[in-house]
Amino acid sequence: GNSVTQMEGPVTLSEEAFLTINCTYTATGYPSLFWYVQYPGEGLQLLLKATKADDKGSNKGFEATYRKETTSFHLEKGSVQVSDSAVYFCALSHNQGGKLIFGQGTELSVKP
Amino acid sequence: GAGVSQSPRYKVAKRGQDVALRCDPISGHVSLFWYQQALGQGPEFLTYFQNEAQLDKSGLPSDRFFAERPEGSVSTLKIQRTQQEDSAVYLCASSRGRTQETQYFGPGTRLLVL
Repeated sequence: GNSVTQMEGPVTLSEEAFLTINCTYTATGYPSLFWYVQYPGEGLQLLLKATKADDKGSNKGFEATYRKETTSFHLEKGSVQVSDSAVYFCALSHNQGGKLIFGQGTELSVKP
Repeated sequence: GAGVSQSPRYKVAKRGQDVALRCDPISGHVSLFWYQQALGQGPEFLTYFQNEAQLDKSGLPSDRFFAERPEGSVSTLKIQRTQQEDSAVYLCASSRGRTQETQYFGPGTRLLVL
């Protein structure tokens, strides 16, 4: 079946460090891929998405590239800030209904 | 409203009680989804509506769970005879169109069953 696997957290970084959160997926066909973020005390927000192979999604300095050959959608940011501290979820959806299938989430903590 | 709203935000129920959770989607959004998020886990799909039609309920964990959206806007998720394993955050999301459009999430209802 369809599934998403993320690297386990928590991830602790110093401010201005480089961030990578790995995400791989298993799916039939050509799903759309998403990164959602959940800041403390807030609801899930879409961070970025990509709908086809080789697409790059980007937002707020974060980037992720849809790699079909490696079935991956790793999240990267060149220089993290304390305000990026949150839980990050990788997800996929298919055409059929559009329900999202989430990974287990990766908690990021950025220290000043 | 500007976003998806859910009520109540917190609910404590005794085991065996029935609960009803409400979701107000973004006005005009066709699709509405319910998800269940256990502590420390990612959300898991429960059910999906397109307008008032419930097109997918494959994620509902048992027949104690029931969802409706009678007029194609507000939705209610009902859990009958609650069990401790039902304790979780219940998330509602809506999207404008029918497939693969961005889903906008509400703040969730945190349910604790004692």
